[in-house]
Amino acid sequence: ETGVTQTPRHLVMGMTNKKSLKCEQHLGHNAMYWYKQSAKKPLELMFVYNFKEQTENNSVPSRFSPECPNSSHLFLHLHTLQPEDSALYLCASSPGGLAGLYNEQFFGPGTRLTVL
Amino acid sequence: AQSVTQLDSQVPVFEEAPVELRCNYSSSVSVYLFWYVQYPNQGLQLLLKYLSGSTLVKGINGFEAEFNKSQTSFHLRKPSVHISDTAEYFCAVSVAVDTGRRALTFGSGTRLQVQP
Repeated sequence: ETGVTQTPRHLVMGMTNKKSLKCEQHLGHNAMYWYKQSAKKPLELMFVYNFKEQTENNSVPSRFSPECPNSSHLFLHLHTLQPEDSALYLCASSPGGLAGLYNEQFFGPGTRLTVL
Repeated sequence: AQSVTQLDSQVPVFEEAPVELRCNYSSSVSVYLFWYVQYPNQGLQLLLKYLSGSTLVKGINGFEAEFNKSQTSFHLRKPSVHISDTAEYFCAVSVAVDTGRRALTFGSGTRLQVQP
């Protein structure tokens, strides 16, 4: 596998379910990101991890819980979501260190989430 | 704070015609500039980037962009489009927010629709 992979590609869940999204990068990067992409809206940065430490949380509701066990893996744990949380969730990575953050980012294909 | 404006939400164009997708940004500090493309059901893929040097940047798939500091623009161009160029295009700006740290901001996207 190369690049950034995300699983599952599609997910349908009820508002009371608990699910997790997984992201894995094979680029040797040390920074990873979660974005939310909704129709007709700009990409919304949700979380940033740099060397496994969370460095940014853009006022994301607590029903979204990220986890970064190592520099190659990133999870987004979901619980008691709302229908308005339906969107494409994109993971990205970039070279780590403060100077590398927010430069060129490499994106995964996304997980299309539908909350019923 | 920086912002990115993509003036056109949709651009219809006939195959083999030239196209320009517009991007303007607001920032008083030095910037890095990016264009990403998103094909249906896929993540974002880097088309090209400007970090420094020549203001005319060439990217993949025959695209190019020109950085114009005085007009704070980074418009994307292609002299002859193909049906396969139909996709969403995102402009992004990375600016330094403090020592060693940058922030990346995406525009709202432009949908390029190439018609036969």
